[in-house]
Amino acid sequence: KQEVTQIPAALSVPEGENLVLNCSFTDSAIYNLQWFRQDPGKGLTSLLLIQSSQREQTSGRLNASLDKSSGRSTLYIAASQPGDSATYLCAVTPAGGSYIPTFGRGTSLIVHP
Amino acid sequence: DAGVTQSPTHLIKTRGQQVTLRCSPISGHKSVSWYQQVLGQGPQFIFQYYEKEERGRGNFPDRFSARQFPNYSSELNVNALLLGDSALYLCASSLQGSYGYTFGSGTRLTVV
Repeated sequence: KQEVTQIPAALSVPEGENLVLNCSFTDSAIYNLQWFRQDPGKGLTSLLLIQSSQREQTSGRLNASLDKSSGRSTLYIAASQPGDSATYLCAVTPAGGSYIPTFGRGTSLIVHP
Repeated sequence: DAGVTQSPTHLIKTRGQQVTLRCSPISGHKSVSWYQQVLGQGPQFIFQYYEKEERGRGNFPDRFSARQFPNYSSELNVNALLLGDSALYLCASSLQGSYGYTFGSGTRLTVV
């Protein structure tokens, strides 16, 4: 059974810092990994999708990397802003056809001015 | 282009009642999944439907059921509500799981 762990559970940083969020998974037989953002009480907004054959994806100030063999992904946020405050979740979709992703519990990020 | 729409956005039910939640996927998406998210936890998988057939079921009791209609919209039904069913219910749609998932804004269910 796939297990997804996100570290740290919570993070508070001053505005302008570069930061890294971590996601680890136990089964490396994955199809893709997706990073989401969730504002309090809201739905999930997709940030980046990395297919298993890819090593990284970039969107603006966000960069996500994937090391399938070690079961790790990182989400790098450059020059953090207060508007980045949210919970960040990673979801791993298994290879083999079920296409049902498993989520981590998320990292709660606060960026203070 | 409309995203994934869920209704209602909020509702309050009494223990023992039944509830129906609705989801309309992105146009062209044939796969719909339902998740339950309790405060402070990641989303937990409930059901997945593809082309109106159930493709997966999570570890939830039989009080939970779902279906997908010919237009690919979906309903999640929960019978005999318990206090522990209070959560944010999320719907996600996808062309196929290989293309990633798009989520709706969720339905906040409170059972009193």
